[in-house]
Amino acid sequence: QVQLVESGGGVVQPGGSLRLSCAVSGITFSSYGMHWVRQAPGKGLEWVAFIRYDGANKNYADSVKGRFTISRDNSKNTMYLQMNSLRGEDTAVFYCAKESGWMTTVYTSFDYWGQGTLVTVSS
Amino acid sequence: QSALTQPASVSGSPGQSITISCTGTSSDVGTYNYVSWYQQHPGKAPKLMIYDVTNRPSGVSSRFSGSKSGNTASLTISGLQAEDEAHYYCSSYTSSSTLVFGGGTILTVL
Repeated sequence: QVQLVESGGGVVQPGGSLRLSCAVSGITFSSYGMHWVRQAPGKGLEWVAFIRYDGANKNYADSVKGRFTISRDNSKNTMYLQMNSLRGEDTAVFYCAKESGWMTTVYTSFDYWGQGTLVTVSS
Repeated sequence: QSALTQPASVSGSPGQSITISCTGTSSDVGTYNYVSWYQQHPGKAPKLMIYDVTNRPSGVSSRFSGSKSGNTASLTISGLQAEDEAHYYCSSYTSSSTLVFGGGTILTVL
């Protein structure tokens, strides 16, 4: 079955950096776009970033543009999120999610989600 | 990109039907048929319930249905069951090549 497993969360000081990973199994990883979505404690969902199935197209929410970088390694079936210049408002559970559409550049929906990894930005 | 507008809460009794609205703009919901709905129980990851406005993924109950009119999409749940009590979020693709969620609606089954 399809599995998405996030790792790399933890506690980091403001201004610090962290890299999240999302290991995917059960699908042809190189055929699907992938997303990061976050959820601050007690708050709603916020889309963070998207990477196309081949890594050729990346898009970001304004709130993270210039600070976060999404990437993928199709040989390892893994997606990453490099987070720099972290702020208190970045504290959240970060989910990786699979794009529903096959080999698409448009974001239609997320049909599989990981269980999330908690990032806490605090001094 | 502003969040889509959802009611903060809705409620209904078992067996009844409820509808959750999701209002956007002509830059998102009004232009694209890429509206989806997610159910999230406390402490769990979201689950896709409706995609492309009206489509149900395999395994999702037919009690869940979606629609759209102009800049507003809607999720209807018929024959309410206790297990339907959860948070519900809508989302839409936008003209800025981003994706926007609604603020979320908590459904209470009385």
